[in-house]
Amino acid sequence: GQQVMQIPQYQHVQEGEDFTTYCNSSTTLSNIQWYKQRPGGHPVFLIQLVKSGEVKKQKRLTFQFGEAKKNSSLHITATQTTDVGTYFCAVPNTGANSKLTFGKGITLSVRP
Amino acid sequence: DAEITQSPRHKITETGRQVTLACHQTWNHNNMFWYRQDLGHGLRLIHYSYGVHDTNKGEVSDGYSVSRSNTEDLPLTLESAASSQTSVYFCASRDRYTGELFFGEGSRLTVL
Repeated sequence: GQQVMQIPQYQHVQEGEDFTTYCNSSTTLSNIQWYKQRPGGHPVFLIQLVKSGEVKKQKRLTFQFGEAKKNSSLHITATQTTDVGTYFCAVPNTGANSKLTFGKGITLSVRP
Repeated sequence: DAEITQSPRHKITETGRQVTLACHQTWNHNNMFWYRQDLGHGLRLIHYSYGVHDTNKGEVSDGYSVSRSNTEDLPLTLESAASSQTSVYFCASRDRYTGELFFGEGSRLTVL
């Protein structure tokens, strides 16, 4: 089945620092989604990227889809304690577009 | 407002017992999914359904079953609970137009 890599699994930053994480696939993707899970909560949809090279912004969060559609990045500008949580990327399975495979996620902690 | 609910939110059971986790959504989504979340493994797909009377196995389906008798509900059954099934279980439904997954609050299951 489809696999997607997110490394590292944990990252600690000082409040105010920028943060970037990546999601990598060995195969070309039709689209990629990002979700955020707050501690003790459930995953919540953030964004979907579809086009090659696509860039979307949500306030301090910038999402990008690679030109080859094999990777994606999430960049957070000037992190805040409200950014704490686990960020997952999710990709559709080949030939079964409705089924999503999730990366293992990266857990971000922010030191105030 | 439409929603997706899971019950129970917390359950402790004994090895060998049958357990059923309920999932109910009011969006009228055809696609529904069950994931389990364990430290170091992210979200792994257990079973999924594309509509009434349709069920499919995910990557970690052994020991689990689902049924889909109507659009709103996808109950997950553990036929004979094992300690390895101690986990947090998330149900989700998918919007066919946006591709977004909506997750329930999760059910924390402990098998002693």
